[in-house]
Amino acid sequence: DTAVSQTPKYLVTQMGNDKSIKCEQNLGHDTMYWYKQDSKKFLKIMFSYNNKELIINETVPNRFSPKSPDKAHLNLHINSLELGDSAVYFCASSQEGFRGYTFGSGTRLTVV
Amino acid sequence: DQQVKQNSPSLSVQEGRISILNCDYTNSMFDYFLWYKKYPAEGPTFLISISSIKDKNEDGRFTVFLNKSAKHLSLHIVPSQPGDSAVYFCAARKYGNQFYFGTGTSLTVIP
Repeated sequence: DTAVSQTPKYLVTQMGNDKSIKCEQNLGHDTMYWYKQDSKKFLKIMFSYNNKELIINETVPNRFSPKSPDKAHLNLHINSLELGDSAVYFCASSQEGFRGYTFGSGTRLTVV
Repeated sequence: DQQVKQNSPSLSVQEGRISILNCDYTNSMFDYFLWYKKYPAEGPTFLISISSIKDKNEDGRFTVFLNKSAKHLSLHIVPSQPGDSAVYFCAARKYGNQFYFGTGTSLTVIP
């Protein structure tokens, strides 16, 4: 009955590959997010989706693309992976009027 | 450009004593602030919040203080317990639901 679940938890892949990270929330929240935590532990927002619309798109490379098949899912696709993409990626969700996020447990991506 | 800063990467406190975690921000437009707690291999979990119209919010052993003139936020944990050992992130919101996070402070409570 995990509120925000993301898979896989760990992902090791070679440079140049394409990979996806999945995220699902069962809270009925209307907005979902992807955050990246880099080596300096800085949590930075990448994307958010509200009712299937992209409402925040920070300056991330276009190799990253969010895909939301429905309100409960926001998947992250990454093309042509680079060494610098190694990080922990967190999915989160929130409800309008709710002043905070519920986070998933994170996906540690390692590009070798 | 990091708008929310936690300048102490780590803090050690004896069990039973007070833990004070600090956070500074640069944008005066921030109107809502949160503290999150994170254990290893888990996502951050919401701990306590404060609106910019208040200067203090208390929830059990946790109290958050806001000094808007100094653009400073602090989290007090009294008394500290070993289970409080975790990384604490502060976050601030400017508009909508977009939050900006600090880099975290790792708290160790020594039994």
